[in-house]
Parts: sequence; structure tokens; C-alpha cells
Amino acid sequence: GNSVTQMEGPVTLSEEAFLTINCTYTATGYPSLFWYVQYPGEGLQLLLKATKADDKGSNKGFEATYRKETTSFHLEKGSVQVSDSAVYFCASPNTGGFKTIFGAGTRLFVKA
Amino acid sequence: DTAVSQTPKYLVTQMGNDKSIKCEQNLGHDTMYWYKQDSKKFLKIMFSYNNKELIINETVPNRFSPKSPDKAHLNLHINSLELGDSAVYFCASSPVTSGHSSYNEQFFGPGTRLTVL
Repeated sequence: GNSVTQMEGPVTLSEEAFLTINCTYTATGYPSLFWYVQYPGEGLQLLLKATKADDKGSNKGFEATYRKETTSFHLEKGSVQVSDSAVYFCASPNTGGFKTIFGAGTRLFVKA
Repeated sequence: DTAVSQTPKYLVTQMGNDKSIKCEQNLGHDTMYWYKQDSKKFLKIMFSYNNKELIINETVPNRFSPKSPDKAHLNLHINSLELGDSAVYFCASSPVTSGHSSYNEQFFGPGTRLTVL
């Protein structure tokens, strides 16, 4: 089946630093790719998505590009804020569609 | 106008007790899920229902029993609670309608933090 691997955390950055959280996937075919964010004490919510190769998803200053050649979907933000402190999950639906494979999550701490 | 709601938000109970968590979604989705999140934030799928039919049943102790009375509701009953059941349980729903979809966006509830003493 499909799998998703993301970089281990925690990642600690100062405000206005550049963020990259790596995510790579293995899959049959070209499934959609997602980044979810979980703020403290809340459920996961969709941050951005890409449905086909070379698509770029973006939201709230975050971006990720679906790269077929490197099977990657790295999350980036040019200037992080304290309010971006959260856990970030890379995810992809499994072949067959009903099940979503989530990465292990990467915790981000942003210091003022 | 909450999309996916769960009750209760917190549940503290003794070992050996039986408890239930309820979930409701008003998004009109056909598919609902239960996930368990451990203290390291690792998310594990437990069950999924599509139109009231069980379609995913991962390796979960049979003390856990899901029930879907209709498309909008998915409840989780846990018998004989153990210390290791302490976790945050998330309900989620998705508009995916078949096993052939490559697009499956999930909408999560706020979670139920279960503490077993």
C-alpha cells in the first residue's frame, strides 16, 4: 500500500525564519497529497492540498508542490509566526480511496 | 454550525469501566472514521463506516465497538477500559463515496481526551 514519510521533529525556529518540513510518499499511481495542521487542543484541519503532479497547494503563507520525479510534497513558509506553532501532518489516500495514510507528524515551535 | 462534533470533550474514568463517545457530522458526508492519537501525536485509524456499513476495521481490541445508527452519526463504545486506552480519540468525516477515489479530504472533530485511572 501507500506510505508517507515526514521529517521527525520537533522543529524549533525563531519568528520570521524560513520553514521546510519534508514529506515523501510511495504510492501506486498519483494520489492526492495533503498537509493537515493540528493546533494545540484541537482536531486536525486541512492546510493545503494538491491533486496532481506539479500542482502547488497554498494557504496562509504555506506552500507545497507535488513533485512526481522526487515523490515529494515538502511544506514551506517564508516567514513563520508564533501562531504557526502546531503539529503538521503530511497525508495521502491509500490505493482504494477510503483510507488515508498520515505521516507521523512534525511538531513546530516558533519562538518570539 | 459545527461541522463535526464529538461528546464529551474530556472523559476521566476508572479502569474496568465502560464508556461511549458520540460523533455527529452535518456535512452530508457518506464516510466517517474513528482515529486514536497517542501522546506522541501519532494518528492511528481504528474504524470507518460508509453509508452505515463498516469498511475499515483495523487491528483493534474487540473491547472497542463502533456503531453507526445513520450516515450522520458514528459512536464508539469501549468496554473494560484499560490504562493503555488513554489517548485522544478523533472522529472524522469525508465526502469520498467509493473505494476508487484518489481524493479523500478528511474533516476532523475537536477530539475526546480519554484518561483511564
